[in-house]
Amino acid sequence: ETGVTQTPRHLVMGMTNKKSLKCEQHLGHNAMYWYKQSAKKPLELMFVYSLEERVENNSVPSRFSPECPNSSHLFLHLHTLQPEDSALYLCASSQGQGVFAEAFFGQGTRLTVV
Amino acid sequence: GEDVEQSLFLSVREGDSSVINCTYTDSSSTYLYWYKQEPGAGLQLLTYIFSNMDMKQDQRLTVLLNKKDKHLSLRIADTQTGDSAIYFCAESEGRSGNTGKLIFGQGTTLQVKP
Repeated sequence: ETGVTQTPRHLVMGMTNKKSLKCEQHLGHNAMYWYKQSAKKPLELMFVYSLEERVENNSVPSRFSPECPNSSHLFLHLHTLQPEDSALYLCASSQGQGVFAEAFFGQGTRLTVV
Repeated sequence: GEDVEQSLFLSVREGDSSVINCTYTDSSSTYLYWYKQEPGAGLQLLTYIFSNMDMKQDQRLTVLLNKKDKHLSLRIADTQTGDSAIYFCAESEGRSGNTGKLIFGQGTTLQVKP
């Protein structure tokens, strides 16, 4: 148990569906992140939130929409996804941005788009 | 842009030493990291090294850093079957030490045979 919980653990959705991934951290951290892990590719940083404000968006398509309502929760809203969006989506949190701060990862949501 | 490369697969016998290698491109990275991902789990920070160090030892783990060649290695002594996992090399983006903003390699799958 790393203190970062992601739900659901597995999700299968059609290309016309709308779903949301949820991440919750109980570590008192003030920064949260979404990563995408595809087969045989490096982890890709998607979004960074610091103090509930989005500070980075790495050219992610608009069909992915993040939301950070408070410092403990992070969502990733999904709509009209493509099969190539199937991947493991990992959430992470850390304390601080400018100095060394260990990031703790959740177990991920395995997303399959059919 | 920044890039981190690793070999994809390593197989060793239980009790042998494992050496996982990584090359990176961003010479301004302050920290370099090794993460471990077990099946069905998120990423776990194994160890890290500050860029002004050449070596760091932590129990069975030894990290070697060659800044001139931008080469990082992780040696696991007396490898056990429980060490079977995917090992990710990562560098921090620029001078930030925040492990949330990381550039990851593709991961090296370590298979430990009894």
